Amino acid sequence: EAQVTQNPRYLITVTGKKLTVTCSQNMNHEYMSWYRQDPGLGLRQIYYSMNVEVTDKGDVPEGYKVSRKEKRNFPLILESPSPNQTSLYFCAQEETQYFGPGTRLLVL
Amino acid sequence: EDQVTQSPEALRLQEGESSSLNCSYTVSGLRGLFWYRQDPGKGPEFLFTLYSAGEEKEKERLKATLTKKESFLHITAPKPEDSATYLCAVQAASYKLIFGSGTRLLVRP
Repeated sequence: EAQVTQNPRYLITVTGKKLTVTCSQNMNHEYMSWYRQDPGLGLRQIYYSMNVEVTDKGDVPEGYKVSRKEKRNFPLILESPSPNQTSLYFCAQEETQYFGPGTRLLVL
Repeated sequence: EDQVTQSPEALRLQEGESSSLNCSYTVSGLRGLFWYRQDPGKGPEFLFTLYSAGEEKEKERLKATLTKKESFLHITAPKPEDSATYLCAVQAASYKLIFGSGTRLLVRP
């Protein structure tokens, strides 16, 4: 069964404390993305990756980093989280349009 | 500027009352238009991809159509389990996906 997994699913943290949200897919596809979803703003792309070691900025990349060292994994890194990064985050495997279950992040 | 606008923002229907959701777009080099269903607290679930004007896709009570400026998601004889937020997105020539804000559909028994 095709799957995109994200961890953690819920996270409460404080301003400035580095965190990583993991994303893993079992479909061996190349194109993956990270989105954030906020009320009234819809889904906005943060970063995307077309292949291993190939990443590019989406619409709202400020304050985020990503890495793609292997095809399966695409972690999202917040080096110094701020309250405006409180949001619902989704990882997606774009070739078959498969989204992960989401990570709800609260930054205090 | 690439843009996607969905209307209405919210729609309440009685069970069996057919209706349509609209997705209008402007994009440089449309690669595809996508429809998704999203339930509360879950990730979007892919429904359809449309690639060119005139194309139609169907799945159970849902039918998606595409013109050069907009797409419609027609819901025929909806049931309460069709209640969800329906999202539309376009993929630009750059492969970037641009999402609309969604239509919240509530179907009452």
